[in-house]
Amino acid sequence: NAGVTQTPKFRILKIGQSMTLQCTQDMNHNYMYWYRQDPGMGLKLIYYSVGAGITDKGEVPNGYNVSRSTTEDFPLRLELAAPSQTSVYFCASSPRQGGTDTQYFGPGTRLTVL
Amino acid sequence: GESVGLHLPTLSVQEGDNSIINCAYSNSASDYFIWYKQESGKGPQFIIDIRSNMDKRQGQRVTVLLNKTVKHLSLQIAATQPGDSAVYFCAENRGSGGSYIPTFGRGTSLIVHP
Repeated sequence: NAGVTQTPKFRILKIGQSMTLQCTQDMNHNYMYWYRQDPGMGLKLIYYSVGAGITDKGEVPNGYNVSRSTTEDFPLRLELAAPSQTSVYFCASSPRQGGTDTQYFGPGTRLTVL
Repeated sequence: GESVGLHLPTLSVQEGDNSIINCAYSNSASDYFIWYKQESGKGPQFIIDIRSNMDKRQGQRVTVLLNKTVKHLSLQIAATQPGDSAVYFCAENRGSGGSYIPTFGRGTSLIVHP
């Protein structure tokens, strides 16, 4: 299994541009998450999904949108990029079986908005 | 508000010493805790977890202790090695309308000197 893959690894955007961060997992996990990590800080939850067709807001959803049309894919959309969205973005998935919630993380996308 | 946080942002140890990383939580309703390790430029990786009905759990060279009375969590790493150098996060799972939203602490940077 490849696990959780994210593309692109790096991206520079200009203010007002749009982009989609891709996330794919091949472990057939129902739960998927998007986090952002600012320098020297922990992870903040942006959006999450408990299954195909179901998404919900996390702690910091403003400026982002998500969709979950399949179990495997959970793209994150930035419509009007702002400097405050400069961060490292991590996608994660979890099987949520047996009362546990171990999350498997992708390698991250480093985004800079200038 | 309720939060998960870490006491020490940076911990420096000598190779071979034991390391102890601490975490405080304030939500007494949390019933599941996870420790993650994040190496530079990578996504977090699961280390060990513990449920609130336990006070200790051991893995390979790692032990997690949970003190529910003072809402404190710790990760002990035995015989610390240079490869243990990373940022360590504790995460707490909180129930919210039936869905668990994970919350991460800020993280502690562990530096192991050879």
